[in-house]
Parts: sequence; C-alpha cells; structure tokens
Amino acid sequence: DIQMTQSPSSLSASVGDRVTITCRASQNIGLSLIWYQQKPGMAPKLLIHGASSLQSGVPLRFSGSGSGTDFSLTISNMQPEDFATYFCQETYSHSYTFGPGTKVDV
Amino acid sequence: QVQLVESGGDVVQPGRSLRLSCAASGFSFSSYAMHWVRQAPGKGLEWVAVIWYDGGTKYYADSVKGRFTISRDNSAKTLYLQMNSLTAEDTAVYYCARTGGISVAGAFDYWGQGTLVTVS
Repeated sequence: DIQMTQSPSSLSASVGDRVTITCRASQNIGLSLIWYQQKPGMAPKLLIHGASSLQSGVPLRFSGSGSGTDFSLTISNMQPEDFATYFCQETYSHSYTFGPGTKVDV
Repeated sequence: QVQLVESGGDVVQPGRSLRLSCAASGFSFSSYAMHWVRQAPGKGLEWVAVIWYDGGTKYYADSVKGRFTISRDNSAKTLYLQMNSLTAEDTAVYYCARTGGISVAGAFDYWGQGTLVTVS
C-alpha cells in the first residue's frame, strides 16, 4: 500500500502569512494527489486536484505543486477562514490513502 | 444542488452489526463511483470502501475487509455500508463521498455531513 506523510503535523500562522504544507508519497503517484481542508465538525472540502488544479470556487490564494512523490500546498495570504486542518490524499491506487493531516492554527 | 445525506449511525455493542445509508440527490447518482470515509474522534481521515457506478466493482480498506460490505441501489439513489462484527476501533464519523471522476483526478468532490457510529 502507498503511505502518505505530511509535514509539519501542525503549525502556527497569522493572518497575511504565507504557509506551505508538504506531502510525500511512498511511491511515485504521478499527479494523483488531492488536497482537502477540514474545519471542526464539518466534512472535508476539496481544494486541489491533480496536484495543482484549483477546484472551482476555491480562492486563488491556494495553490498546489509537485509530482511523483513530493507535493506541497501553499496558502499565499492566510485569511481568518483558512485556519483548519489540511489533508492530502492519493488517488493513484485503490487504497485512496490520506495523509495524517496538518493543523494550521493561530 | 448535489446533496449527500447519511443516516443510520448509532451506539452499538461490540460484535453487533449496523447498516449506514447515504441518500443522494442533485446529480446522476448512477454515473458516479461512491466512497465511504471514516474519521475516529480527534483523528485523521481513513478511506473505507468504494463502489463503482454500476456496483460491479468494490474495494475495501484492509481494516474492514471481510466485515463491511458496500452496496448501492441506483434506482433509489442510495449508497449503503453494512458493518458486521463491529469493534471499538470502528467508532468514528462515517462520511459518504462522491468521486468527481477524471475531471478532478478522482478526487472526492462532494461529501455528506457524516453519521456517528459508536461501538461500546
């Protein structure tokens, strides 16, 4: 099975900061990398698909990059509503493995 | 608009069974693969199972293989998860989610609000 890791596990940020979260796959997954945002008590929300394609309606301050095994999610100008937990996921295999998550708080 | 509404979550004793349902609306249900994803209290997301649009193909996480069964009724626009031999490790919020297809690289583009299963 493909293993997904994320770093850091948590980080503190301020409004206006540029934040970068990394995700690593245990094997080459091409561009089959997804990013979700989850707020407490709510379902995850799709942000990025295909490693770098922004889902419709997601603000342009979110961007994704990477391919193969190393990926990153960048929030260019943190807004109050962006404090949340972020998960990566591989859709390369039929295990659809999620990363452990990165909590971004104040 | 796309809506997914889970139901069936409950408090059950270890070893018992439970069936979850996910009612879909606002899209052509029979055209999409559907997933169950769970989240234990305070933990991350764990993919559970997927069923192809026609019900012909199913995959399961190793942690539930042989105990859980995913199914669907396309005429009723409903997804199911039959859970048997439940243990405390199955305690979680269970979400159903739609695969958006190749246009979103297989991402889960719509999620339900979740239903809580407590095994105790």
